[in-house]
Amino acid sequence: QKEVEQDPGPLSVPEGAIVSLNCTYSNSAFQYFMWYRQYSRKGPELLMYTYSSGNKEDGRFTAQVDKSSKYISLFIRDSQPSDSATYLCAMSGGGKLIFGQGTELSVKP
Amino acid sequence: DTAVSQTPKYLVTQMGNDKSIKCEQNLGHDTMYWYKQDSKKFLKIMFSYNNKELIINETVPNRFSPKSPDKAHLNLHINSLELGDSAVYFCASSQDPGTGGSPLHFGNGTRLTVT
Repeated sequence: QKEVEQDPGPLSVPEGAIVSLNCTYSNSAFQYFMWYRQYSRKGPELLMYTYSSGNKEDGRFTAQVDKSSKYISLFIRDSQPSDSATYLCAMSGGGKLIFGQGTELSVKP
Repeated sequence: DTAVSQTPKYLVTQMGNDKSIKCEQNLGHDTMYWYKQDSKKFLKIMFSYNNKELIINETVPNRFSPKSPDKAHLNLHINSLELGDSAVYFCASSQDPGTGGSPLHFGNGTRLTVT
């Protein structure tokens, strides 16, 4: 079993839809949870960063962490074609930093 | 100004050749990394340096040798290239080791194709 599991998709949604991206993990030592966005032929860029459990909102993006279930989510409201990218979750703690495989998202006009 | 820059962007070469990829960061970070991203987008850590010292060296063939002349630069030299080395190689940096929660800043990658 991988330490971090993420459905690679692809996920295709119409413009304006609410998108939910998720990752599960198995390592209880993880305390820092991140979402990176990677456009085609570009490097990943940090989108959201949370510590421990709870929610964090930034514009149309909301990150949720549920440590009891070992489950993290990224919600995108009013999705736009410019949100089309690969979204990678990442988590660290206990001397490790692990990335999920990434979910490819396509938002259709 | 590009925060993490790596050259070249594209590298096409034949099996058996030796090649180098260079990386520079102007963020003043202490930690730098090399990651390999395969065709399925999976990011795998190869090496990590903190203040020019190697701190992570994952199971990578000896043909791959990193070198950090100073904390703003981390280069990757690959000997005797093989077909399986074809991938996108990302350089990244962070203020502190990412294993402690410090977020990473990535370059735009070097797309290596071995024919």
